[in-house]
Amino acid sequence: EAGVAQSPRYKIIEKRQSVAFWCNPISGHATLYWYQQILGQGPKLLIQFQNNGVVDDSQLPKDRFSAERLKGVDSTLKIQPAKLEDSAVYLCASSFNRGVGNEQFFGPGTRLTVL
Amino acid sequence: DAKTTQPTSMDCAEGRAANLPCNHSTISGNEYVYWYRQIHSQGPQYIIHGLKNNETNEMASLIITEDRKSSTLILPHATLRDTAVYYCIVRVRTGNQFYFGTGTSLTVIP
Repeated sequence: EAGVAQSPRYKIIEKRQSVAFWCNPISGHATLYWYQQILGQGPKLLIQFQNNGVVDDSQLPKDRFSAERLKGVDSTLKIQPAKLEDSAVYLCASSFNRGVGNEQFFGPGTRLTVL
Repeated sequence: DAKTTQPTSMDCAEGRAANLPCNHSTISGNEYVYWYRQIHSQGPQYIIHGLKNNETNEMASLIITEDRKSSTLILPHATLRDTAVYYCIVRVRTGNQFYFGTGTSLTVIP
């Protein structure tokens, strides 16, 4: 079974530039999550989708971050414009559904460095 | 937002049992305890979860105290590949959202 795919794996940009990350979840998984993991910290949930609808985006900095999952499969996360403090690993995860016991499967992440 | 407390780091000798504690004193009756681990430069990996009863799978055992205020993850025979950061998570909302803390960095020593 193919896992969660993410690209690119690494990205270096200058502050105020824009960047986008792509995620392809496990086939058949209805729920998709984006997390931000700053060095030395645990992952922090940014946004959760159920199919193509947003379930929770309470921790997404909406002035600069946006995410979409238009067809309920792939998802993109965008930062515009980037700040130095956005340097982190961005993890995508998916689960079959939202209920208890639905294990989240994580991708390898995209490491973003903002200079 | 994390409602769990874990030691920052632990060591364990290879082949011995690793016992990782977690305090979740404010857990509600319908909240589950989940454990994930993160090996360096990889995404987190699911280990086990439970509500009230002790649980065991091919990776680990989860012991939850009767009052549910704490739990222990047990890796019965630790190997070098078990070196990772282990996260104890309480599901604090419906919808399967997880709130990770800083976890316990486990080092398995040869």
